[in-house]
Amino acid sequence: DADVTQTPRNRITKTGKRIMLECSQTKGHDRMYWYRQDPGLGLRLIYYSFDVKDINKGEISDGYSVSRQAQAKFSLSLESAIPNQTALYFCATRGQTTGELFFGEGSRLTVL
Amino acid sequence: DQQVKQNSPSLSVQEGRISILNCDYTNSMFDYFLWYKKYPAEGPTFLISISSIKDKNEDGRFTVFLNKSAKHLSLHIVPSQPGDSAVYFCAADDAGNMLTFGGGTRLMVKP
Repeated sequence: DADVTQTPRNRITKTGKRIMLECSQTKGHDRMYWYRQDPGLGLRLIYYSFDVKDINKGEISDGYSVSRQAQAKFSLSLESAIPNQTALYFCATRGQTTGELFFGEGSRLTVL
Repeated sequence: DQQVKQNSPSLSVQEGRISILNCDYTNSMFDYFLWYKKYPAEGPTFLISISSIKDKNEDGRFTVFLNKSAKHLSLHIVPSQPGDSAVYFCAADDAGNMLTFGGGTRLMVKP
């Protein structure tokens, strides 16, 4: 099983709908992140959390919210989806003492 | 403005030759740099990293070079193999534990 699991892997939704992307990890890491990938723009940070009580905005947080339900779970919500939120979304974790991010397999979201 | 840039969106190399992927950054506070590799339908996976106190780090066929004065790093793959065909992202860390990524370079290694 993957260390970082994202659900759903693919979702098609309509403008104005609420959508939640979920992430769970078995690595025991405190730090969790949500990134968005767009062609040519690389990976851009949406939100990050260093522990259950800590939530921080990233570079492109507008239109998104997050919830850290437990150390192992970090959800990303789009309250009212719009077409320019069509993208590939990645959850990632990071240990306290290592520099490496561990990514999930991604959630492809299409907003029509 | 992007703080980490990969100016070549794609690179094509013959199998067995050297692949050189480049990355430039603007923030002098970055002190740790990483390269990630991404295959289609998969998440990025860590490849190699380098601390700002070094100018070179080698791991098998992969070597990363850092030129702090030029704010430039490069990834060398020697020899290149068809299985190396993927998108490569460079990333920089400012000790705030947030990684800033470049836009990626798609490497194609031809048999």
